[in-house]
Amino acid sequence: DIQMTQSPSSLSASIGDRVTITCRASQNISRNLNWYQQKPGKAPKHLIHGASTLQSGVPSRFSGSGSGTDFTLTISSLQPEDFATYYCQHNHSSPRTFGQGTNLEIK
Amino acid sequence: QVQLQESGPGLVKPSETLSLTCTVSAGSINYWYWSWIRQPPGKGLEWIGYIYYTGNTNYSPSLKSRVTMSVDTSKNQFSLNLTSVTTADTAVYYCARGGGNFDSWGQGTLVTVSS
Repeated sequence: DIQMTQSPSSLSASIGDRVTITCRASQNISRNLNWYQQKPGKAPKHLIHGASTLQSGVPSRFSGSGSGTDFTLTISSLQPEDFATYYCQHNHSSPRTFGQGTNLEIK
Repeated sequence: QVQLQESGPGLVKPSETLSLTCTVSAGSINYWYWSWIRQPPGKGLEWIGYIYYTGNTNYSPSLKSRVTMSVDTSKNQFSLNLTSVTTADTAVYYCARGGGNFDSWGQGTLVTVSS
């Protein structure tokens, strides 16, 4: 199985901050990488596919980059609604696996 | 926009079978892959497997011996059966559209395994 490791596991930031979350795959997954946002008690929301393509309706302050084994999710200017847990997930092969999550909290 | 809704018992006894159904509305089940994903309380996400509308399946190796998925295109539904459950199977179970990119999700249903 491909292991997905996110860092940091938790992050405190302020409104307006620029934040970056890192996701590392245990082997080359090309650009077969998704990002999701999950708020407490809610289902995950698909933000990005193909490492960098925003889903329809996702604000442009979100961006993704990377290929191979190293990927990043960046939020350019944090808004109140962005405080949530973020997960990366590969779809390079089976089984699909998720990172352990990054909990983004208000400082 | 497609909508998904999980349904099934919220409480299952150890060693019994967990059975859930996902009903798809505002869209067709045809020509799509459909997945089940679970999340134990306070923990991360685990992909269980997917089914294509034709009935082809792909299960996670860690659960493969206990999982069966099926699809009923006439009802726009797909289902999950997980046998021989233990307390480790207690989780919120989500159905989602896609086999690798999960672009629409149900709200999730908590299934507790307890006697």
